[in-house]
Order: sequence, then C-alpha cells, then structure tokens
Amino acid sequence: AQSVTQLDSHVSVSEGTPVLLRCNYSSSYSPSLFWYVQHPNKGLQLLLKYTSAATLVKGINGFEAEFKKSETSFHLTKPSAHMSDAAEYFCVVSEEAGYSTLTFGKGTMLLVSP
Amino acid sequence: DTEVTQTPKHLVMGMTNKKSLKCEQHMGHRAMYWYKQKAKKPPELMFVYSYEKLSINESVPSRFSPECPNSSLLNLHLHALQPEDSALYLCASSRGSGTYEQYFGPGTRLTVT
Repeated sequence: AQSVTQLDSHVSVSEGTPVLLRCNYSSSYSPSLFWYVQHPNKGLQLLLKYTSAATLVKGINGFEAEFKKSETSFHLTKPSAHMSDAAEYFCVVSEEAGYSTLTFGKGTMLLVSP
Repeated sequence: DTEVTQTPKHLVMGMTNKKSLKCEQHMGHRAMYWYKQKAKKPPELMFVYSYEKLSINESVPSRFSPECPNSSLLNLHLHALQPEDSALYLCASSRGSGTYEQYFGPGTRLTVT
C-alpha cells in the first residue's frame, strides 16, 4: 500500500526567501512521485515528477525536489519565493502495481507575504 | 500541448435535474479520470477509463454515471444529486494507466441546490 504525509498544512514565507515543503511517502513498490500545485478555483498543474532516473528533479517555475530513498522523503524547494507561488501544493505517489492510481497528500498551503 | 478542457466551468442544478459534465483531451492519452474535490481537501478518485473501458469505479453512487464515447472525450452524467455532492469536479488524463503523470483540467464547480 502507498501513502503520503505532507508534514505541514501551512507554510508562510516572505517574498524572495527560500521555500521548503516537506513530504514523506510510503510505498511497497518502486514509486513514482509528483508535486502538483493548485491555485484557488483552478485545476492541478504538474510541477515535477520523479520516476527513478535522477534523484534531483527540476520542475517548472524554479521548483525542484530531491528523492531520498533512505529517508523516504521527496521535499519540494525553491530558492526564492514569488508572490505568484502562493497556492496549495500536493505531494503525490503512484506505485508500479496493477492499475496505478495516484495517492495524494493532504496538501500544504503556501502563503507568501511581501 | 498538455491541455485538458472541461465544460461548463460552473453549474448550478436542483436535486431533480439531469446534467452532464464534459471533458476533452487531444494528447493521445489512453487513460482518463474523474475526481471530486471538496474545499481544502485533496482530489478523490471517482472513475478511471483505460482504453475507453471503465476500469475503476471507487464505489461511487449510481447518481453519477460516467461515459467515454471515444478516446478523447469523457462525460459525467448527473441525476438526482444531493447538496453534499457540491464540489469541484476534475477531469484528468494520462498516457496510460501505469505510473504516468496525470494532466488535469480546470474543473467544473458544481452547486446542488
């Protein structure tokens, strides 16, 4: 069985400071991991994905995430926050087993202040 | 192009109405999905279509009826809904039903009165 834990329900940063959104996962198989972002009343946009190639994954809008198998973590980072980054972020896991469906974390709301 | 489109953007319906939500993708994807999302919650999977056949139904009430007319289109027929069915309904597609990333549409905001 697969599961995802997003360690913070809310993260507040100032514009121009680094962003760290934390995610731990549990998986019985080789997982694929994703980060999605959702702005208010919008659909989900794929930020980046890990599929067992490089452990450091670069995504859109300056975000990146590092897959650490020993820590079962997949934290999302960005060196400098922008006001437009304020949104809900979901860490998602998918296993290689049968019909592979997505398991979502509960989400982290990123608040960016000027 | 990684676009999934959904219509309508907003829908208000009474409990006795029948309405349909539509979803379309032109990425050649062979798996399509319906999700329901309540406020401040992650999306919940409702249905999965793989190669135009229903492969997963997550115990969704029969008042929700999915349909996949062809590989590019996905419908969700609604009938006799309850107020608690009010939510954002998201459609997604992926290359296949394996560990592929899913691309989401903007959603339909449904309000049941």
